[in-house]
Amino acid sequence: GAGVSQSPSNKVTEKGKDVELRCDPISGHTALYWYRQRLGQGLEFLIYFQGNSAPDKSGLPSDRFSAERTGESVSTLTIQRTQQEDSAVYLCASRPGLEREWDQETQYFGPGTRLLVL
Amino acid sequence: AQSVTQLGSHVSVSEGALVLLRCNYSSSVPPYLFWYVQYPNQGLQLLLKYTSAATLVKGINGFEAEFKKSETSFHLTKPSAHMSDAAEYFCAVSVHQGGKLIFGQGTELSVKP
Repeated sequence: GAGVSQSPSNKVTEKGKDVELRCDPISGHTALYWYRQRLGQGLEFLIYFQGNSAPDKSGLPSDRFSAERTGESVSTLTIQRTQQEDSAVYLCASRPGLEREWDQETQYFGPGTRLLVL
Repeated sequence: AQSVTQLGSHVSVSEGALVLLRCNYSSSVPPYLFWYVQYPNQGLQLLLKYTSAATLVKGINGFEAEFKKSETSFHLTKPSAHMSDAAEYFCAVSVHQGGKLIFGQGTELSVKP
């Protein structure tokens, strides 16, 4: 079946502009995560949505970052007033629910959005 | 707090040689442990995971890893490297089933002919 998809694949923006990144999870997956991968560094957790529960926003680096998810489908990550240090690859992942008992720990990753802030 | 340390940001092996990528974790509770691989310009793909069942875990592409609680380690091995194994490898820990992943810094594996 289709995997996690993200758009755009690449985004170049000017410092101070707002950007929106989109993630389409695997159909039926109840959990969705956003991570950031800066050049030469590991992945940093940003935010986690699980069903109708309040999202875990503990990884968002500043109040310029926000994310929304519509039900158990699409999510958008918004970065306001972008800064050069926001340049990174933003990865989205989704995970099955409890009905897939054998696989409920596995996060499936999309290809990422490469963001460059000039 | 949980953390993951991958020893060696870059490892180079010859084709056919043993691959050993090291991962140590810190967790106050029994962890869930993962190895992911990232090929150039692609997303992360799960290689294998430890979820408190067998301590020796076999994954895709001939990789395996052994959970050693006493050493807080989860090293990744493959008996014989292939050129196609060249990629970046990430070790990750989660303390809740399905919770957020805490990643190591990654190890870039190069395979020489």
